[in-house]
Amino acid sequence: GAVVSQHPSRVICKSGTSVKIECRSLDFQATTMFWYRQFPKQSLMLMATSNEGSKATYEQGVEKDKFLINHASLTLSTLTVTSAHPEDSSFYICSAYSGGLSYEQYFGPGTRLTVT
Amino acid sequence: QKEVEQNSGPLSVPEGAIASLNCTYSDRVSQSFFWYRQYSGKSPELIMSIYSNGDKEDGRFTAQLNKASQYVSLLIRDSQPSDSATYLCAALVPPSNYQLIWGAGTKLIIKP
Repeated sequence: GAVVSQHPSRVICKSGTSVKIECRSLDFQATTMFWYRQFPKQSLMLMATSNEGSKATYEQGVEKDKFLINHASLTLSTLTVTSAHPEDSSFYICSAYSGGLSYEQYFGPGTRLTVT
Repeated sequence: QKEVEQNSGPLSVPEGAIASLNCTYSDRVSQSFFWYRQYSGKSPELIMSIYSNGDKEDGRFTAQLNKASQYVSLLIRDSQPSDSATYLCAALVPPSNYQLIWGAGTKLIIKP
């Protein structure tokens, strides 16, 4: 399967600061990347869909000014959590779709964010 | 509203037996279906994709799709303790910008 990396894997930050998470497709070009959030013992929640070179599409209830997404190239998307608060603490996971007819999405390993 | 439903479990299966996981979906135009495995604290991992009615086998895993009845299933033969995880079912429903509709997942426990 295709490989997607995420960095950092774990981050602790203070309330009010911003955190950037990178998602890279290592062996394929990702026309579309997705950002999910998952709280403990809950299911995946799609936050936004990003296509290379265009603005991200955010799901209802997700603040676009708080969760900044940039998909500047076919192999890199970034999620910046601005002015983080303890309630933003969660497991953030990206996935990437190569544009093939299989429609398969491949997930990165996730980033565990803790805001103190 | 387009939905994918799974029994949350936990589903407990003895080691060596067949584990059967089921998923139903509400939208008849769904074309592609996926099974992901998620270990606790980890991200989902793609196990199988299925697009046509019938069975698709890959090693110990068999995915089954019945579009008329709108269900998808995953069979795991010779279950191992390492198969213990949450299994997520997902459907691609066009037009969707390739977004998947996710089930809540079924927790599977394989007992030695």
